[in-house]
Amino acid sequence: EPEVTQTPSHQVTQMGQEVILRCVPISNHLYFYWYRQILGQKVEFLVSFYNNEISEKSEIFDDQFSVERPDGSNFTLKIRSTKLEDSAMYFCASRRQGRNTGELFFGEGSRLTVL
Amino acid sequence: DAKTTQPNSMESNEEEPVHLPCNHSTISGTDYIHWYRQLPSQGPEYVIHGLTSNVNNRMASLAIAEDRKSSTLILHRATLRDAAVYYCILRANYGGSQGNLIFGKGTKLSVKP
Repeated sequence: EPEVTQTPSHQVTQMGQEVILRCVPISNHLYFYWYRQILGQKVEFLVSFYNNEISEKSEIFDDQFSVERPDGSNFTLKIRSTKLEDSAMYFCASRRQGRNTGELFFGEGSRLTVL
Repeated sequence: DAKTTQPNSMESNEEEPVHLPCNHSTISGTDYIHWYRQLPSQGPEYVIHGLTSNVNNRMASLAIAEDRKSSTLILHRATLRDAAVYYCILRANYGGSQGNLIFGKGTKLSVKP
């Protein structure tokens, strides 16, 4: 069964450093998403991406964050100048083209720890 | 986005049916009712979705009230693996929407052996 894969599974970084989280969506999917979940809290929407551009973003997704689909297979989330409060699980998801009722497929997540 | 209300937690016994309720009194005509679940230390996982009619799939059944202001996710025989947080989410189906899911706190289901 096809799946969304994310790397790294866990990354530890120092405050102020840049981090890139990588995702390989399911191959025939065209809509891509990043979510995050701070420990013990709910899953929060960050950004959606379609046709090589951001289609929607939340208030959390400020100038510190950026997304890119550099090579047609990877979908990356870059966090510049990380802060302690960026520590969370980051989930990538993808959806095939079609009606908005299509399900989102989520990866296992990347745990980011900022020290 | 229209809001959903779910109990914070529920308990079930293994191999018994589980009925997880969700209230969505402000649902609009274009909103689909989606259910996802999140097993411990994993990403969310699609369970089922519906619009007006009851729906069945290999994982669960979804019963939707006639006025669509509430719905119930039914797990026919709970297993220990079904212990998870279950999210009831309304998702608009119109051209301007990108199908984003907005998660609430969900219902934490515990399954006792």
